[in-house]
Amino acid sequence: ETGVTQTPRHLVMGMTNKKSLKCEQHLGHNAMYWYKQSAKKPLELMFVYNFKEQTENNSVPSRFSPECPNSSHLFLHLHTLQPEDSALYLCASSQTRDPQNEQFFGPGTRLTVL
Amino acid sequence: DQQVKQNSPSLSVQEGRISILNCDYTNSMFDYFLWYKKYPAEGPTFLISISSIKDKNEDGRFTVFLNKSAKHLSLHIVPSQPGDSAVYFCAAVNAGKSTFGDGTTLTVKP
Repeated sequence: ETGVTQTPRHLVMGMTNKKSLKCEQHLGHNAMYWYKQSAKKPLELMFVYNFKEQTENNSVPSRFSPECPNSSHLFLHLHTLQPEDSALYLCASSQTRDPQNEQFFGPGTRLTVL
Repeated sequence: DQQVKQNSPSLSVQEGRISILNCDYTNSMFDYFLWYKKYPAEGPTFLISISSIKDKNEDGRFTVFLNKSAKHLSLHIVPSQPGDSAVYFCAAVNAGKSTFGDGTTLTVKP
């Protein structure tokens, strides 16, 4: 596989469930990102990892927990979510965290919280 | 307060004509700007970027113009093609952080 892949593509979960989103990049990049896109709102950056270290957390609630075990994989662990967390969650990667590096996006996970 | 705005949610253009997508920003500290294109069921893909020290960057059919005094940038696509139909996002960067606009849906009619 090439590029940035995300699984699952669609996820429906209850407020008491625990689930995880997975992102994998095959580009040899060192920076990975989680974004949230809610309906009719701009893309919101959630977390940034650079060389496996978390470098940014943009005031994301603790019910979202990222994990980056290596430069190729990024997870977003979800627990006790709220219906307003329903959104498209996009993963991206770039060569390094330098914002002038092009970011390559995955197709996203469409999350619905009931 | 939204720092990056794309005031036109949609734009419809005839094939072969020019498409002009606009983006306004409020933070004069933004030093780098990018445009992304997004097809349904896919993640955004990078199109073109421009540094704040420039006023124009061109790549094939795509040209980005930056007017710093007006805090305005635009993406020109010429000639427009039906395959250009997508959602276009502008993004502005300051201190390493990217802020995205809401997106403009471009429809190019054959």
